[in-house]
Amino acid sequence: GAVVSQHPSWVICKSGTSVKIECRSLDFQATTMFWYRQFPKQSLMLMATSNEGSKATYEQGVEKDKFLINHASLTLSTLTVTSAHPEDSSFYICSARQRAGADTQYFGPGTRLTVL
Amino acid sequence: GNSVTQMEGPVTLSEEAFLTINCTYTATGYPSLFWYVQYPGEGLQLLLKATKADDKGSNKGFEATYRKETTSFHLEKGSVQVSDSAVYFCALSETGTASKLTFGTGTRLQVTL
Repeated sequence: GAVVSQHPSWVICKSGTSVKIECRSLDFQATTMFWYRQFPKQSLMLMATSNEGSKATYEQGVEKDKFLINHASLTLSTLTVTSAHPEDSSFYICSARQRAGADTQYFGPGTRLTVL
Repeated sequence: GNSVTQMEGPVTLSEEAFLTINCTYTATGYPSLFWYVQYPGEGLQLLLKATKADDKGSNKGFEATYRKETTSFHLEKGSVQVSDSAVYFCALSETGTASKLTFGTGTRLQVTL
């Protein structure tokens, strides 16, 4: 149980275009979803926390107008990278928490974004 | 702020060798501590956790003890297998922070026959 999927698993796009990444909790309802970014050989950096039905909370230094997060249902959150540039190329990972107060997050397999 | 420091990898061991991956942390409060594992091509999976000082988390033969006095949470396994080859991440979450995780940089383990 507690499976989280991401789609797509990888995407290549041209500079200036927007890319949407989906994160789904397949067998549970997620009150909270988290979005991380992982650079090569570096740790996961939390970008934002999203609660179903409310605005996402962004970490310091993360541009909310560039990384649009929508958590429209208890099983789906989306991250849209708007006007992507090569420096946005990275590995984006989502996770989901089953209920408020739980300290365990379930992670998706990640999405590799390459911006040409 | 919070931080987690892990030993740099890669760590290469022969099968049945003893494993230790060091992890130390800095936190202002009383964090919960975690080890996550990422197998090739897969997402991070929770391996074990400990929520208070002196707790020992264990799973699949791996163990880690929450040492408040040394602010450490070292991962150990007595006899590794080839199937343990993966990247291991130490992480913490602090009470009252909506369970936001702070990760270490990860340590790649390669186990050979």
